[in-house]
Amino acid sequence: AQKVTQAQTEISVVEKEDVTLDCVYETRDTTYYLFWYKQPPSGELVFLIRRNSFDEQNEISGRYSWNFQKSTSSFNFTITASQVVDSAVYFCALIMNRDDKIIFGKGTRLHILP
Amino acid sequence: EAQVTQNPRYLITVTGKKLTVTCSQNMNHEYMSWYRQDPGLGLRQIYYSMNVEVTDKGDVPEGYKVSRKEKRNFPLILESPSPNQTSLYFCASSLVREQEETQYFGPGTRLLVL
Repeated sequence: AQKVTQAQTEISVVEKEDVTLDCVYETRDTTYYLFWYKQPPSGELVFLIRRNSFDEQNEISGRYSWNFQKSTSSFNFTITASQVVDSAVYFCALIMNRDDKIIFGKGTRLHILP
Repeated sequence: EAQVTQNPRYLITVTGKKLTVTCSQNMNHEYMSWYRQDPGLGLRQIYYSMNVEVTDKGDVPEGYKVSRKEKRNFPLILESPSPNQTSLYFCASSLVREQEETQYFGPGTRLLVL
């Protein structure tokens, strides 16, 4: 069965702290894609990153970084030097290559306190 | 400007009254998809489409229909809405099988079925 688990329902950190959002996935497929999305309080969904299963390189984009480890089936997201504008719900998601159906985790609500 | 548009943004209707939520993208994307978002359940995929005249069920297709007669449009049809379809709906589009594709989301449609 395919599944995405975001064990952290809600996290609060003080501004400028680093924070890591966990994502653990389950799939038997060898080819799949992993995603992170951001949903700020305004409600829109913003695509952050896509990573395919053959590319385990870590990704850095400004203050955002992603750590993909197939050995632990994890695709964790770290925000460095967090800012209040990072407050949002963050979703991790999985697409299996064979059917392109997407499965989302239930999201982690992140509060950055000033 | 690259965008996905949804209409209406807000809708209140009554049980059994057929409705259609439109979704349109201007990026010539092959892949389009519908999601619903509910508290505690996160995002769930309803239907997706890989191209014109090609549609597939997501995780929660019951009670919904879609069509893809043109590449740019992917309407979501509720033939006989019920209160359990009260939700926030998102449409999205992306290129297919591109290495670093971005998925674009519409602004969301908030539906209340009485």
